Amino acid sequence: AQKITQTQPGMFVQEKEAVTLDCTYDTSDPSYGLFWYKQPSSGEMIFLIYQGSYDQQNATEGRYSLNFQKARKSANLVISASQLGDSAMYFCAIPVYSGGTSYGKLTFGQGTILTVHP
Amino acid sequence: GAGVSQSPSNKVTEKGKDVELRCDPISGHTALYWYRQSLGQGLEFLIYFQGNSAPDKSGLPSDRFSAERTGGSVSTLTIQRTQQEDSAVYLCASSLVYKYNEQFFGPGTRLTVL
Repeated sequence: AQKITQTQPGMFVQEKEAVTLDCTYDTSDPSYGLFWYKQPSSGEMIFLIYQGSYDQQNATEGRYSLNFQKARKSANLVISASQLGDSAMYFCAIPVYSGGTSYGKLTFGQGTILTVHP
Repeated sequence: GAGVSQSPSNKVTEKGKDVELRCDPISGHTALYWYRQSLGQGLEFLIYFQGNSAPDKSGLPSDRFSAERTGGSVSTLTIQRTQQEDSAVYLCASSLVYKYNEQFFGPGTRLTVL
């Protein structure tokens, strides 16, 4: 069974600084992907970044990058140059596979609340 | 350029009543997902649709929960005889088939069972 762990219930960062949100996972699937989503106070889940387990380079999307360490089973999200609008809940997720397919079924971590201070 | 829409945005009901939650996916997205997010918790997968069929219903918490999708578009999640533990935000997402890593979420329906 897949499992996602986010050990930081809350994080604080000063505006314009970088912050790392931790995520560790456990899966027996040989091929998988890691997702990060942002959930602002409005409630909508916003897809941020994805990394496949066989990708050679860490994924980068604008100010978001994924520090993927496969041997340690960690996929930390790095947000550079934090902005006030980055204040939100952040979720790490991994597909759940059954019979060789996930059907897009995701297992989510408990989330980390990020607060950006001016 | 509409995204995923859900209605109602908020629903307050009495214990024992039935409720219907609606999801309107992005046009052209054949895959549709329902998740539940309880207070302070992560998202819990409920059900997935590929077109009008649901190959994976394993996440439905009880037989009081059912979902259907018609015309490969709108989906309805029905909860019968609601219980207080059903109170949560119900989120719907859609994606292109085989683009599971790009699920677009709706704003959710906040259900409160009194």
